[in-house]
This record gives sequence, structure tokens and C-alpha cells, in this order.
Amino acid sequence: GQNIDQPTEMTATEGAIVQINCTYQTSGFNGLFWYQQHAGEAPTFLSYNVLDGLEEKGRFSSFLSRSKGYSYLLLKELQMKDSASYLCAPSLGNTDKLIFGTGTRLQVFP
Amino acid sequence: GAVVSQHPSRVICKSGTSVKIECRSLDFQATTMFWYRQFPKQSLMLMATSNEGSKATYEQGVEKDKFLINHASLTLSTLTVTSAHPEDSSFYICSARRKGHEQFFGPGTRLTVL
Repeated sequence: GQNIDQPTEMTATEGAIVQINCTYQTSGFNGLFWYQQHAGEAPTFLSYNVLDGLEEKGRFSSFLSRSKGYSYLLLKELQMKDSASYLCAPSLGNTDKLIFGTGTRLQVFP
Repeated sequence: GAVVSQHPSRVICKSGTSVKIECRSLDFQATTMFWYRQFPKQSLMLMATSNEGSKATYEQGVEKDKFLINHASLTLSTLTVTSAHPEDSSFYICSARRKGHEQFFGPGTRLTVL
């Protein structure tokens, strides 16, 4: 079966850096997505990693190690609006279907 | 980014009725559309994968006769929840993908079955 693990909740302070880890065991792995979801809203795309290594995009960076089944999302210079759930989602098979982890609820405090 | 719409955004219905939810990709042709369900404080659960002109592929544990999916064109997919019951109350989200790109999510439909 497919299994994705990420912490359920994290807290951090405005201006700080936070790393959200994700480990996965899947079959037919193509790449890994990170999405942000605010309560009651649909997920919005943050990043996509296919190759091993770090992808940097502004305040957000994402890392992938395919051999270890491991990814992390790094958020820098945290802002209050970054309080949301962050979803780790491997993309699988020839349809690139996404299987979501439980999501990590991040709370940013002043 | 690409735009995906869903209609209706909210629906309240009586137990036993059927509810149809539409998902449209507004500015691109989607090779594949996906339907998800999300219960409060839980993550998205993939229900089915839908390709235009062919039968949907359902995930394990999802009843295909209860959740009817019709993918009539490259820009429209519908999900019909048949004979809805209170336990079907949930947030239903669709996404659309064009080949080589990420999935774009619709705004979701909140279904409440009384």
C-alpha cells in the first residue's frame, strides 16, 4: 500500500524558519508535490520535485531524496499568513494521481 | 495559473436525494480530472481518476455505483452522489491536470446531508 508520514502539527514564530518533513513509501513514484491549504479552501500549489536535491522558490524551498523516500518543505521569514496546512503528495503512476499525507498544520505566532 | 471551477460551492439536501457536482477547467483542456473528499481536520482522500471519454478509475473502498462520475469533455467532469446520507456530508474537491503540468484544484463543494 501507499504510506505518507508528516507531523500533524507544528508551531513557529513570525520571522523564523520552519522545516516540515515528509517520508513516503509508494509504488509508481513520479515526483513529489507540496500544497498549502487554508481552512475551508482548496489546496494551492507550492512546489514539485522530480529529481533529488533542493528547489528554491522565494521564501519556500523543497527538497527530495528519492532513494530515502524523504522530502521536506522549508519556509523562511515566516509570516502570519503562512499559518495553514501543508500537504505532502507523491505523484504516482501514468495518470500522476496524487496521494496526500495527513497534512501538517502550521501555526505562526507573533 | 490555470483556473478550475466547481458548482455548486455549497449544497444542503435531504437524505436519499442525489446531488450533482460539476468541475470545469476554464482556460485549458484537462487530460485527467480527479475527485477528492475531505472530512473535517483530515487530508484529501482520492476517490477516483477520470479521463475524458472513458470510465473512471475508483480508489479502493469507493463505491462506483454511489459516486457516479461522468467526464463528458476535456473541460467538464461531474460527480453525482446518489442516495446521499448524512455520512456523505463532506468537502468534495476536484482537480484538473493537463499533461506535463501540476494538478489545479477547484474551490471545493461543501455537501451537507440532513
